[in-house]
Amino acid sequence: AQTVTQSQPEMSVQEAETVTLSCTYDTSESDYYLFWYKQPPSRQMILVIRQEAYKQQNATENRFSVNFQKAAKSFSLKISDSQLGDAAMYFCAYRSGSEKLVFGKGTKLTVNP
Amino acid sequence: ETGVTQTPRHLVMGMTNKKSLKCEQHLGHNAMYWYKQSAKKPLELMFVYNFKEQTENNSVPSRFSPECPNSSHLFLHLHTLQPEDSALYLCASSQVTSYYEQYFGPGTRLTVT
Repeated sequence: AQTVTQSQPEMSVQEAETVTLSCTYDTSESDYYLFWYKQPPSRQMILVIRQEAYKQQNATENRFSVNFQKAAKSFSLKISDSQLGDAAMYFCAYRSGSEKLVFGKGTKLTVNP
Repeated sequence: ETGVTQTPRHLVMGMTNKKSLKCEQHLGHNAMYWYKQSAKKPLELMFVYNFKEQTENNSVPSRFSPECPNSSHLFLHLHTLQPEDSALYLCASSQVTSYYEQYFGPGTRLTVT
């Protein structure tokens, strides 16, 4: 079964600095999707960024970018110029074909002013 | 309203009570999901509905009973719950053709006493 591992239960970053959240996954599939979701305190979970495994180019959304290493099965999220509003739980997730989304346990990000 | 809404946002119930959680999506999607989110555990997919038909039940105890009367509404009927069922219950929706991109509601925080 596919698994997603987020090895950092908590991370902190200074406002305006850059932080990288780690995610590794286990799969035997060659075609799949990877996602980062953000869940602010008491607010809805929203999709931050997604990556298709067949694309070699790393996805980027404004201050959010990923480092996708397919051979290493690694999918880290980089947040540049961190803002107070970036404080949240971040979940890495995986999906292959019509299979269900598999989530990691999450990383709690604190942004210090 | 827009997006995915859930009511109630908080619910406290005794082990012998019967209650229902409601989810409504205003995105024109055809697939809806129930997830359970417990502290320090990955999100657990409970049920999936595509075009009102249940397509997945991840070995959820029968004390949880889903209902999907149409593509916009999803219910989770609860009865004789256990304290370990206390969690945040999240509803999500997606276009069937874009199965992977799910939009989440704010969740119902359930406490079973």
